[in-house]
Amino acid sequence: GAGVSQTPSNKVTEKGKYVELRCDPISGHTALYWYRQSLGQGPEFLIYFQGTGAADDSGLPNDRFFAVRPEGSVSTLKIQRTERGDSAVYLCASSRDRGRNEQFFGPGTRLTVL
Amino acid sequence: QQQVKQSPQSLIVQKGGIPIINCAYENTAFDYFPWYQQFPGKGPALLIAIRPDVSEKKEGRFTISFNKSAKQFSLHIMDSQPGDSATYFCAASRGGNLIFGKGTKLSVKP
Repeated sequence: GAGVSQTPSNKVTEKGKYVELRCDPISGHTALYWYRQSLGQGPEFLIYFQGTGAADDSGLPNDRFFAVRPEGSVSTLKIQRTERGDSAVYLCASSRDRGRNEQFFGPGTRLTVL
Repeated sequence: QQQVKQSPQSLIVQKGGIPIINCAYENTAFDYFPWYQQFPGKGPALLIAIRPDVSEKKEGRFTISFNKSAKQFSLHIMDSQPGDSATYFCAASRGGNLIFGKGTKLSVKP
């Protein structure tokens, strides 16, 4: 079966630009998570969706970051006015539901802000 | 404050050796402790996980040892192979988002 997919795999943008990163979770998984991984670090939690709603967005660093999951499947992470410090690998993970903790990660999107 | 502390930062072993990676956590409410393996350019892959009601879990060559009173857990890789060379992350959660350690880069020499 298909795993979590993320597009694009790489994104290079200029400081100040807007970017969108897409995540397709495993079919049937209701819980979806976004993490950010900086070089040489472990992933850091950004936001969690249960179904269509953002159940926990406590990890978003500031209001330039926003995410949606309008139909309870695909999710888009949106970053406005990108800064060089936003450069990282953005990872998406899904699990069957919040109570089942096994989270399966996608390959990530490497974002580079010049 | 780092909630999950992982050591060592890097580890080199010979083929067939048994690397051990250690993690310590702060929050006694954590109830799920997974280990992930990550190769360069790839996302983390779930290896094995444990809950605090057991002290040890084995899956193939991978074993987690868990010490609830010490708030520590560790990963042992039996009969390590060059293909096990990767970065390993421990994590902890309380029914939701995972909190990761900083990772251990393992190199298994032929």
